[in-house]
Amino acid sequence: GAGVSQSPSNKVTEKGKDVELRCDPISGHTALYWYRQSLGQGLEFLIYFQGNSAPDKSGLPSDRFSAERTGGSVSTLTIQRTQQEDSAVYLCASSLESGGGYEQYFGPGTRLTVT
Amino acid sequence: GDSVTQMEGPVTLSEEAFLTINCTYTATGYPSLFWYVQYPGEGLQLLLKATKADDKGSNKGFEATYRKETTSFHLEKGSVQVSDSAVYFCALKTGGSNYKLTFGKGTLLTVNP
Repeated sequence: GAGVSQSPSNKVTEKGKDVELRCDPISGHTALYWYRQSLGQGLEFLIYFQGNSAPDKSGLPSDRFSAERTGGSVSTLTIQRTQQEDSAVYLCASSLESGGGYEQYFGPGTRLTVT
Repeated sequence: GDSVTQMEGPVTLSEEAFLTINCTYTATGYPSLFWYVQYPGEGLQLLLKATKADDKGSNKGFEATYRKETTSFHLEKGSVQVSDSAVYFCALKTGGSNYKLTFGKGTLLTVNP
């Protein structure tokens, strides 16, 4: 079956512009996660959705970052007024449920470059 | 807070060599432990996991044993292949936030023929 998909695969934007990154989880997966992979920080958790609710947004780096999920499916991560330090690979993952025993399946990521 | 420390890379080995990538952790409670692998140009994939002390996870010839006394989860393989070249990440999840993976910084492995 289809895995987690993300779009775009690459995004180059100018400093100060807004960007939207999209994640399509595996069908039927109720939990969805966003992580960021950067050279300096490694892999960091950003936010987690259970259904359309986000019980944990603790990893979002600043108020320029926001995310939503609609219909218990697609999620969008929005970065406003992008900065060069936002350059990273943004990974989305989904799992059937959110408990510890459920495997998270990762998408290929969106590589964001802020110039 | 929870953290994972893994062996700094890069690691370069010849085919059929023995591999160890060290991983130690700090966590509240009793974490589940994971190794993820990222092949060139691909997404992260779960390689193996262990959910309680003394459990051994294994897959594709790789093994790791959950050692509570040393808070470690070292990855081993007896004979690596060129196709094992990838970045390997050690990670944990704890009961308090059992949805969030905390990752180590990753170890790049290159296997030469």
